[in-house]
Amino acid sequence: DGGITQSPKYLFRKEGQNVTLSCEQNLNHDAMYWYRQDPGQGLRLIYYSQIVNDFQKGDIAEGYSVSREKKESFPLTVTSAQKNPTAFYLCASSIVVLGPQHFGDGTRLSIL
Amino acid sequence: GESVGLHLPTLSVQEGDNSIINCAYSNSASDYFIWYKQESGKGPQFIIDIRSNMDKRQGQRVTVLLNKTVKHLSLQIAATQPGDSAVYFCAETETDSWGKFQFGAGTQVVVTP
Repeated sequence: DGGITQSPKYLFRKEGQNVTLSCEQNLNHDAMYWYRQDPGQGLRLIYYSQIVNDFQKGDIAEGYSVSREKKESFPLTVTSAQKNPTAFYLCASSIVVLGPQHFGDGTRLSIL
Repeated sequence: GESVGLHLPTLSVQEGDNSIINCAYSNSASDYFIWYKQESGKGPQFIIDIRSNMDKRQGQRVTVLLNKTVKHLSLQIAATQPGDSAVYFCAETETDSWGKFQFGAGTQVVVTP
């Protein structure tokens, strides 16, 4: 079955540590997105990529970094510069930028 | 784990009744809208979408209504079932935004027997 796989499901970060969240899709979608979800709030865009080897900052990119070396993969690194990283992180993809986004089941990141 | 539904408005619906979930948007240039369903601990699932050249669109047991004059979107679920219990939220974008959507916080729907 086609879909988006995020791993791990739960992740813990120590102070000063960078952590990387994985996102893989086998939908052959060009566009991929990373969102942060906090309780009681709408999704906020961190980074997005419309094509391989290209990505753009979203509304809350500070303290995060991404890469898009392969069409199917869009990993997100939460750096030590992100002072409030505790959240639910969602990866999505879409076949066209003005179309429905398909989401993974998220990674919940917490601070140790 | 912590629920994404924390502090959200709640709609309590009896099983078999119809549900109406509302969403107000602010950008008058928005021309594409989506409704998503999110169950606890899962990613959002696409329900239905609508473009601004339409004011109504129907799917299986769901209808989306768009009122551009007052910038309002609603999702109607017919014959609500226990499996419909989830957070529902809308998303809006405009063509020139290149896929950057604005998402509402959502409404928690609770279906009671």
